[in-house]
Amino acid sequence: GAGVSQSPSNKVTEKGKDVELRCDPISGHTALYWYRQSLGQGLEFLIYFQGNSAPDKSGLPSDRFSAERTGGSVSTLTIQRTQQEDSAVYLCASSPPPADWTQYFGPGTRLTVL
Amino acid sequence: AQSVSQHNHHVILSEAASLELGCNYSYGGTVNLFWYVQYPGQHLQLLLKYFSGDPLVKGIKGFEAEFIKSKFSFNLRKPSVQWSDTAEYFCAVNGGGGADGLTFGKGTHLIIQP
Repeated sequence: GAGVSQSPSNKVTEKGKDVELRCDPISGHTALYWYRQSLGQGLEFLIYFQGNSAPDKSGLPSDRFSAERTGGSVSTLTIQRTQQEDSAVYLCASSPPPADWTQYFGPGTRLTVL
Repeated sequence: AQSVSQHNHHVILSEAASLELGCNYSYGGTVNLFWYVQYPGQHLQLLLKYFSGDPLVKGIKGFEAEFIKSKFSFNLRKPSVQWSDTAEYFCAVNGGGGADGLTFGKGTHLIIQP
């Protein structure tokens, strides 16, 4: 079946602009996760959703980052006033209902902030 | 806070050699353990996982890993590597609740020489 999809695959933006990244999880998966992959920091967990709610937002790097999920499906990660240190690959993963907590990853969005 | 340590950042082997990649984690409770692989230009794929039961788990492409609770380790092994195993390998852990985000190690870049 179809895997996790993310769009856009690449995004180049200017410092100070806002960007929106989209994730479509695998159909029927109730949990959705966002990660950031960068050379300096490796793979960092940002936030997860169980249904439409995010129990813990403490992993978001700053208050410029926000995420939402609607209808228990699509999620968007928004970065406001982008900075050069936000340049990274943003990964989305989804996980089926309990008891399998395996996370299946999408191809990522490569964000470059000039 | 949980953490994951991968001892080898770069490994170079010849085809048919045996492979063992080290992974140690720090976490006080019940854990779920994973190995993911990222082939060049591709997204993260699950190699194998441990939730409970037999501590020796087998994954795809001839990989296996052994969970040793007393050593907080989950080392990845393969008896005979192939050139196509060239990739980045990540060990990851999350807490017993299962729904939490994954904490990843820094990764091991494996190069197999033909």
